Amino acid sequence: EPEVTQTPSHQVTQMGQEVILRCVPISNHLYFYWYRQILGQKVEFLVSFYNNEISEKSEIFDDQFSVERPDGSNFTLKIRSTKLEDSAMYFCASSEDSGRTYEQYFGPGTRLTVT
Amino acid sequence: RKEVEQDPGPFNVPEGATVAFNCTYSNSASQSFFWYRQDCRKEPKLLMSVYSSGNEDGRFTAQLNRASQYISLLIRDSKLSDSATYLCVVNGGSNYQLIWGAGTKLIIKP
Repeated sequence: EPEVTQTPSHQVTQMGQEVILRCVPISNHLYFYWYRQILGQKVEFLVSFYNNEISEKSEIFDDQFSVERPDGSNFTLKIRSTKLEDSAMYFCASSEDSGRTYEQYFGPGTRLTVT
Repeated sequence: RKEVEQDPGPFNVPEGATVAFNCTYSNSASQSFFWYRQDCRKEPKLLMSVYSSGNEDGRFTAQLNRASQYISLLIRDSKLSDSATYLCVVNGGSNYQLIWGAGTKLIIKP
């Protein structure tokens, strides 16, 4: 069964450093998403991406965040200057389309710890 | 304000029992509704989409009441492996953004 994969599974970084989280969406999917979940809190939408551009982003997704699809398979989330409050689980998801039945499938997540 | 509200639980239920969760949403423009389950420190996994006519998948039944803006999930003959947090998810009225409830924790006891 096709699945979304993410690397690394755990990333530890110092405050102020840049991190890049990587995702490989399901191969025939066209819509890609990043979510985050701070420990013990709700899943929060960050950004959606389609046709090589951002479709929608939340208030959380400020100028320190960026996304890219550098090739035909990878989808990345970059955090330019990490803060302590960026510590969270980051999930990548993908869906086949954005119509009514756009079921999103999630990767296993990257646990980001900012020290 | 876009919101999805759920009873956080935990629901402690004996194995074999039937359990039901409800969820309310505030955005009347929402068009798509889902139940996900999440095990501790794992990714959310899609359990089922919720359709206007209601839908059933094995032991799981989901229903949508648009007039009252709530969604329900019924689990029959609960198994130990059903222990998880169940997340109610609603699209925010746009095509892309999903709004998540905080989840209802279910614990199935032998």
